[in-house]
Amino acid sequence: AQSVTQLGSHVSVSEGALVLLRCNYSSSVPPYLFWYVQYPNQGLQLLLKYTSAATLVKGINGFEAEFKKSETSFHLTKPSAHMSDAAEYFCAVSYNNNDMRFGAGTRLTVKP
Amino acid sequence: DVKVTQSSRYLVKRTGEKVFLECVQDMDHENMFWYRQDPGLGLRLIYFSYDVKMKEKGDIPEGYSVSREKKERFSLILESASTNQTSMYLCASSLSADRSETQYFGPGTRLLVL
Repeated sequence: AQSVTQLGSHVSVSEGALVLLRCNYSSSVPPYLFWYVQYPNQGLQLLLKYTSAATLVKGINGFEAEFKKSETSFHLTKPSAHMSDAAEYFCAVSYNNNDMRFGAGTRLTVKP
Repeated sequence: DVKVTQSSRYLVKRTGEKVFLECVQDMDHENMFWYRQDPGLGLRLIYFSYDVKMKEKGDIPEGYSVSREKKERFSLILESASTNQTSMYLCASSLSADRSETQYFGPGTRLLVL
């Protein structure tokens, strides 16, 4: 079965600090992995996705994620947090398009 | 840009009422989805549709039904609303069934059942 686990339901960082949001997956087939962001009172928006090309994936707003097969991980990072990054972040694994499994989400708080 | 719109941002309904949530996408996408979002549980798939008049159950279809009469429109129906259906409902669409496809989401409908 395909699933994702996001470690930490809440992460708090200071403005300018490194952002690291953790995601581990399980998949019986090579995974396709996604990170989505949800700003308050909005739907989900794609940040980036891994579809078996380069293992380091760059997304919007300065975020990137690295696919590590040996660790079954797809952690999301940003070198320097901005106040506007405060949102909820969801990792997802796609077995097929009709079966995308989302993690429980990580709420990122950015302190001034 | 893909646009997915949902008919209401906020709804308040009474227990036992029939509730319709509507979703429209403007990019000729084949697939459409209804999710329910609850704190700590992430998104759970209620139903999806891969073509007009075609539907498949997701993980939590009980108490819900759907309708897709036109390609661009996908409706979620709560036949008899209950308090445990108070939640955020998200509609999404994707171009095809390829698993690399991005799902595009609407802004959500926050439903309160009293």
